[in-house]
Parts: sequence; structure tokens; C-alpha cells
Amino acid sequence: GAGVSQSPSNKVTEKGKDVELRCDPISGHTALYWYRQSLGQGLEFLIYFQGNSAPDKSGLPSDRFSAERTGGSVSTLTIQRTQQEDSAVYLCASSTRLASNEQFFGPGTRLTVL
Amino acid sequence: GENVEQHPSTLSVQEGDSAVIKCTYSDSASNYFPWYKQELGKRPQLIIDIRSNVGEKKDQRIAVTLNKTAKHFSLHITETQPEDSAVYFCAAMDTGRRALTFGSGTRLQVQP
Repeated sequence: GAGVSQSPSNKVTEKGKDVELRCDPISGHTALYWYRQSLGQGLEFLIYFQGNSAPDKSGLPSDRFSAERTGGSVSTLTIQRTQQEDSAVYLCASSTRLASNEQFFGPGTRLTVL
Repeated sequence: GENVEQHPSTLSVQEGDSAVIKCTYSDSASNYFPWYKQELGKRPQLIIDIRSNVGEKKDQRIAVTLNKTAKHFSLHITETQPEDSAVYFCAAMDTGRRALTFGSGTRLQVQP
């Protein structure tokens, strides 16, 4: 079946511009996660959705970052006034609420801020 | 919050040898420990996981051990093959919180 998809796959933007990154989770997965992976680094948790609500947004690095999820499906991560240190791969993952906690990852969006 | 330390950062082995990657965690509430494999330019993929009520789990050439008292867990790959070459990440989760905290990764290279 279809896995987690993300768009765009690559995004190049100028410092100060806003960007929107999209995630389509696996159908039926109620939990959705955003992570950030800087070059050669591990994954850093940003925010978690259960349905349309975000019980944990503790990983968002600043108020320039926000995310929403509508209809219990698609999620959008928005970065306002982008900075060069925002350059990274942004990964989305989804999971069910069943006993398995496995998170299935999307291919990521590579964001480059010039 | 949770902190996960992973070592070594790089590991080179000969084909057929075993590879061991170790992680420690800080939060005693963590109770789920997955391992992900990430090939260059690809998404992370789960290879094995273990829950805190189990001390060891094996799946063919891959095994994971967990020592809750010492707060460490390890990945063991036996009879390594060139296709095992990738970056491996450990992670820890408090399932009440659900966010994964990842280690910094181990680049494994299997020499043919």
C-alpha cells in the first residue's frame, strides 16, 4: 500500500521567506510526527499530532515554526522568516494507536535556505 | 527530557564479521526502543524494536538487548553483508509521550 508521502522533495528558499512543507500519512494512521535531520546528525523531534490536536509541540525550536493537521490526515509544517540554520531535511512519520508503536517515515523534504 | 547517547559514530567491519552498536538513555520512563537503518538519501526504516518488558529480541541476523537497570541497549548484527552498510539510529520513547528521541547515529561500513 501507499506509504507516507511528503512534498516538495526539495525546497530552496531565500532567507526571510516563509515555507510550507506537506505530509500525507498512511491512510488510517491517527498519529503523525515531524522530525528534523540536520546534515550528518540524528533526528530531532519537532511536534506530534493525535488526530487533529497536538498534545506535544515541545520540540518546535522557535515561534517561527508552526504545524497544523486537518481532517485527521494531511499535515503542514510552516516555517516563517526562514533562517540559514533552518536548512535540514524535514521528515514526517505516522503510526497507529495499536500496540505497535512503529513509526513509518516519509522520504523527507530537503530545505535549503540561502 | 530524554537524552540518548550512541557509539561508535563509525564502524568498519569485514564481511562476515559481527557488528555491535551501543546506546544509553537517561529517562527511566522510556519503555520502547527501536532501531532504524537509513541508507544514503533514503528514509529511516525500522529494523527491530524492543519493549521494556523484554531483555532480548532476535530477528534472523539482527538482535537487540536491553538492560533497564543500567539504561542501555545494543544492536548486534551477525554475519554482516555489504548491503548492511548504512547509518543506524537507536531511539527511545516514553509511550505515554510518544515522541522518539534519537541517538546521533552510527555509520556502518561492511568491507567485502
